[in-house]
Amino acid sequence: GAVVSQHPSRVICKSGTSVKIECRSLDFQATTMFWYRQFPKQSLMLMATSNEGSKATYEQGVEKDKFLINHASLTLSTLTVTSAHPEDSSFYICSAVTGFHSGANVLTFGAGSRLTVL
Amino acid sequence: QKEVEQNSGPLSVPEGAIASLNCTYSDRVSQSFFWYRQYSGKSPELIMSIYSNGDKEDGRFTAQLNKASQYVSLLIRDSQPSDSATYLCAVRGDSWGKLQFGAGTQVVVTP
Repeated sequence: GAVVSQHPSRVICKSGTSVKIECRSLDFQATTMFWYRQFPKQSLMLMATSNEGSKATYEQGVEKDKFLINHASLTLSTLTVTSAHPEDSSFYICSAVTGFHSGANVLTFGAGSRLTVL
Repeated sequence: QKEVEQNSGPLSVPEGAIASLNCTYSDRVSQSFFWYRQYSGKSPELIMSIYSNGDKEDGRFTAQLNKASQYVSLLIRDSQPSDSATYLCAVRGDSWGKLQFGAGTQVVVTP
């Protein structure tokens, strides 16, 4: 089946630095990817919708200048957390549309990236 | 604010018994409903999807949907220790893949 590869799986960085997370679709083209964030014991919260060749659409309350999303090709979307702070420590997960069933898109998730900001 | 509500648990289930998980949603126009399983520290994996009222069975899993009551449930029959995980209910209101997740119900299957 379709695979969404996400790297790195874990990253630790110092406060004030930037971190880039990559999400790749293997063996299929992903025109749309979604980025989620999950804090401990909480649900997944959609951060933004990444569209190949155009600007990402951010959810209300998500700072677009802090969470930079680039979807420059049909197989790669990146999320860059700029000037990271400890409160940005979270589990970031990407997903891609990998099918269509009963009038709706089917999603496949990447393995997630655990970010710890010291 | 569109909401998806789940009991957080933990739901303790003896091995071999049936685990029953519930989910309610607030957006009446929701069209598609999903159950994901998430092991600690891992990303969610899709286990069931349901789009029409009624029951849908897949192996040991049965999803039930009642759009009039805005309610979706998941039954896990013959529960195994490997079923111990957090189960996330997700609802989609349009066809572009944006999912609204519940906070999840933790299931603990005891031998």
